[in-house]
Amino acid sequence: DFVMTQSPDSLAVSLGERATINCKSSQNVLYSSNNKNFLAWYQQKPGQPPKLLIYWASTRDSGVPDRFSGSGSGTDFTLTISSLQAEDVAVYYCQQYYTTPLTFGGGTKVEIK
Amino acid sequence: QVQLVESGGGVVQPGGSLRLSCAASGFTFGSYDMHWVRQAPGKGLEWVAFIRYDESYKYYTDSVKGRFTVSRDNSKDTLYLQMNSLRTEDTAVYYCAKGVAMFSAWGISHDAFDVWGQGTMVTVSS
Repeated sequence: DFVMTQSPDSLAVSLGERATINCKSSQNVLYSSNNKNFLAWYQQKPGQPPKLLIYWASTRDSGVPDRFSGSGSGTDFTLTISSLQAEDVAVYYCQQYYTTPLTFGGGTKVEIK
Repeated sequence: QVQLVESGGGVVQPGGSLRLSCAASGFTFGSYDMHWVRQAPGKGLEWVAFIRYDESYKYYTDSVKGRFTVSRDNSKDTLYLQMNSLRTEDTAVYYCAKGVAMFSAWGISHDAFDVWGQGTMVTVSS
């Protein structure tokens, strides 16, 4: 199975500051035939289902604010919130969809400092 | 609007059975692959099962193989998860989720999930 490891487990960031979350896959999720990384990011607020933020490692889903960005390739990926807003307090998960079993990282909790 | 609504959760004894349903609306259900994802209390997300838009492929995580069965009725816009031989470790909120691409365009089971239901709680306890 592809193991997805996120870091840190939690972070506290001041309003307006940058938040950076890392995700490392145990195996390459870059598919050579289309040169795409099969990696997504989700946001989950308390009591709510997850919300898709980014797929193909860097493509924002419809309606996602542009302060959210994804980067990386192969096995190492980053989700960046460029200017943290109060409504961004949540747990963030990465997920690989390269192969089954589809697997998620353990989550990173983002709080306001 | 695009919506998924799960039902069928509840409290069941170990070894028991439950059938979850997920009613879809606001999109062409029969054109999209669907998944079940679960989340144990206070824990992270775990993918459980996949079914292709035409039911031609089904995949499961190892821990539920032989116990859970995913199915769909495209005429009723509904996804199902039949859960048998339930264990305490199956206790979780179960979400149904829609794959992003139509007709497995990203490849069979190669899915991110762009629509999620609110979830239904399954508690396995004696």
